[in-house]
Amino acid sequence: QVQLQESGPGLVKPSQTLSLTCTVSGVSLSGGGFFWSWIRQRPGKGLEWIGYIYNSVSNYYVPSLKSRTTMSVDTSTNQFSLKITSMTAADTARYYCARGYGDYTSFFFDSWGQGTLVSVSS
Amino acid sequence: EIVMTQSPATLSLSPGERATLTCRASQTIDNFLAWYQQKPGQAPRLLISYASTRATGVPARFSGSGSRTEFTLTISSLQSDDFAVYYCQHYFEWPFTFGPGTTVDIK
Repeated sequence: QVQLQESGPGLVKPSQTLSLTCTVSGVSLSGGGFFWSWIRQRPGKGLEWIGYIYNSVSNYYVPSLKSRTTMSVDTSTNQFSLKITSMTAADTARYYCARGYGDYTSFFFDSWGQGTLVSVSS
Repeated sequence: EIVMTQSPATLSLSPGERATLTCRASQTIDNFLAWYQQKPGQAPRLLISYASTRATGVPARFSGSGSRTEFTLTISSLQSDDFAVYYCQHYFEWPFTFGPGTTVDIK
């Protein structure tokens, strides 16, 4: 059974870079076949897909965040990561990591981490 | 970007009643539609994929239907555990987007 767990700072200062890690158990990230994603939920709002990384080399970031976002995979630790630069208060949200299941251009999220709350404040 | 809308925003029902939630897409998405349930303080949970395929372990009282631009999630007889927020999500093309959610609360 796959499990995902986010980790990272709960507080980030404006203009700084957010770095989050998702530790995956129950499936190897080197095996391929899944689209490892980040999704966020701003306070009182709905869900927003940030993007995905696949097999360490293929990725997609949503246009609104593309210029500030980088995702990576570390197969030695079975973790994948999210970096968002130039954080502002508008980036305050609960960040979830999730597994995308399907194919390259169409997948849904069948497993989720519990999420980690990130606040942006000085 | 495909815009997803959901109605109603809130559905107030009693246990045992039937719940009907609607999700609409701004353009056709074939059947590339998923439904999720989210309870307070929890991550979303996948209920339905491909508009009508229940995920593993999801009770049969949950059913999904629809295609192209209009979709429905039906809970045939609400249990106490079903009061939550429900989101739809399309995965027809990038970027995938979610609807704003429907809250099912106790009347």
